[in-house]
Amino acid sequence: GNSVTQMEGPVTLSEEAFLTINCTYTATGYPSLFWYVQYPGEGLQLLLKATKADDKGSNKGFEATYRKETTSFHLEKGSVQVSDSAVYFCALNPGGYQKVTFGTGTKLQVIP
Amino acid sequence: NAGVTQTPKFRILKIGQSMTLQCTQDMNHNYMYWYRQDPGMGLKLIYYSVGAGITDKGEVPNGYNVSRSTTEDFPLRLELAAPSQTSVYFCASSEREGTYEQYFGPGTRLTVT
Repeated sequence: GNSVTQMEGPVTLSEEAFLTINCTYTATGYPSLFWYVQYPGEGLQLLLKATKADDKGSNKGFEATYRKETTSFHLEKGSVQVSDSAVYFCALNPGGYQKVTFGTGTKLQVIP
Repeated sequence: NAGVTQTPKFRILKIGQSMTLQCTQDMNHNYMYWYRQDPGMGLKLIYYSVGAGITDKGEVPNGYNVSRSTTEDFPLRLELAAPSQTSVYFCASSEREGTYEQYFGPGTRLTVT
């Protein structure tokens, strides 16, 4: 079946540090890949997505590249802010009648 | 434009009680979903709907029921609550499947004691 594996958290960084959150997936075919962010006390919201190999999704300074050869979709940001503190979920949608599979989430804490 | 709204935000149930979690979306989305989020476990799909009158089971449907009489509303019913149903419940909607994003409500935190 389909699966998404994310790095364990929590990740604690100082403000302006570089961020990488690893995500790898298992799926047949060519799934769409997503990063969702969940701020404290809120629901998930889409951060970025990529729908085919080598696509780069980007939003709010975050980027992730769809790497089919390594089945990865790592999230990066060059300089994190305190306001980026949240839980980040990697997800895939295989398409067709299959449903979205979410990773377990990675909590990011950015300290001033 | 309120998006996806859920009520209540918090609820404590006693074992064996029943309740309905409400979900409404104002984006005219055909697809709606119910997830539960347990610590360290990500999101698990409980039920989903592809349109009014059409629902289907997800990964963890036992102990729950849903209905979809209108495009806007997708209530989740818990019958005979059990401690294993203690979780945070999220409703979501999307225009279509595949590459389309899901829009989530703020969640309902349910405790069964």
